[in-house]
Amino acid sequence: GAGVSQSPSNKVTEKGKDVELRCDPISGHTALYWYRQSLGQGLEFLIYFQGNSAPDKSGLPSDRFSAERTGGSVSTLTIQRTQQEDSAVYLCASSLGGFNQPQHFGDGTRLSIL
Amino acid sequence: GIQVEQSPPDLILQEGANSTLRCNFSDSVNNLQWFHQNPWGQLINLFYIPSGTKQNGRLSATTVATERYSLLYISSSQTTDSGVYFCAVEGWSNYQLIWGAGTKLIIKP
Repeated sequence: GAGVSQSPSNKVTEKGKDVELRCDPISGHTALYWYRQSLGQGLEFLIYFQGNSAPDKSGLPSDRFSAERTGGSVSTLTIQRTQQEDSAVYLCASSLGGFNQPQHFGDGTRLSIL
Repeated sequence: GIQVEQSPPDLILQEGANSTLRCNFSDSVNNLQWFHQNPWGQLINLFYIPSGTKQNGRLSATTVATERYSLLYISSSQTTDSGVYFCAVEGWSNYQLIWGAGTKLIIKP
């Protein structure tokens, strides 16, 4: 597609359940990023994938969070045993990779934990 | 790590007014981007501007890397300009974008 695609756009789930969020980057973009944005706040970096290199997981807040990127394209962010503080908008971005490349964002997934 | 500060935090203007948003950063950066997040939460990339000046319609941006700041200018503002404007910088050691807290802009008709 023309832009970064994320699904679902909204997700409401009960505390303790697992959730999977999906990101489909711009075709040809080798770099993929996940961010989290809490209400009224700036973006918080979670994880970064570049090609076949090991991902930079330094931003993941706990071991309940994990992400994978299959075939160098689509990525899935998984949150296990969700907590209420996980409620946020999860944003995915992609770029051509390397330094000095602008990041382009999807519309995000709004996650609400009841 | 690099700190990014944006000012003002909030700005309310009448339609047609001009505005200047500022982004200060604490260390040398590899690149800088300005984003607009509209009231529906969509993040739109406005400028990729590690240095110099760029213009796109009513918007322009200037980054003075040696003095560690960037300015976003909005002229003849419209109600559709409302939203939050974020500045984000990339350091030299990794590819992470470090984000400011944003400037919330409200344009009244």
